[in-house]
Amino acid sequence: EVHLLESGGALVQPGGSLRVSCVASGFTFSSCAMSWVRQAPGKGLEWVSSISGSGGSTHYADSVKGRFIISRDNSENTLYLQMNSLRAEDTAVYYCAKVDGRWWGFDYWGQGTLVTVSS
Amino acid sequence: EIVMTQSPATLSMSPGERATLSCRASQSVTSNLAWYQQKPGQAPRLLIYGASTRATGIPARFSGSGSGTEFTLTISSLQSEDFAVYYCQQYNNWPPLTFGGGTKVEIK
Repeated sequence: EVHLLESGGALVQPGGSLRVSCVASGFTFSSCAMSWVRQAPGKGLEWVSSISGSGGSTHYADSVKGRFIISRDNSENTLYLQMNSLRAEDTAVYYCAKVDGRWWGFDYWGQGTLVTVSS
Repeated sequence: EIVMTQSPATLSMSPGERATLSCRASQSVTSNLAWYQQKPGQAPRLLIYGASTRATGIPARFSGSGSGTEFTLTISSLQSEDFAVYYCQQYNNWPPLTFGGGTKVEIK
């Protein structure tokens, strides 16, 4: 059974940094692209970033490009999102999502971790 | 960037009724479209991909149709557990991967 467990969400001041993590199990992690998708309170879903199975290819939404870094440790089955220069508008639940190997969408999601940016 | 527009924003329905949700793309996404369901306090769940293929374990009352720029998610007979928010997502032309704003299906 596929399982994704995020952690690391916290209250952070504007301009601060935070790293959230996602531990995966139940599938061959290194063979699967992964993504982060966020949801601001009461709002819809927003794709943030994706990374290939090897980690050699990454993509970012314009809203986070240059501030966020996606990475993975395939030996630990863990996905990361390093968030720098955080803004109030980055406040959201951050979901880790597994990318289906046949198409660029998300077949499994974690339960999410809340990041709040506020002074 | 491909903009996805869902309508209506809210659909008030009774159990047993047929629900029809629409999703429009600002340019053709061929059949590269997925639908997700999200209940309060939960993560989204994949329902449909390839515009019309049900994901594993999804009941047959859920069906997807369309191609190009116009798509429809139909729930043939609403069950109590189907009252939720539904999102479409295109994956034809990215980055960015883009979602619609969602349609909330509420109990009338």
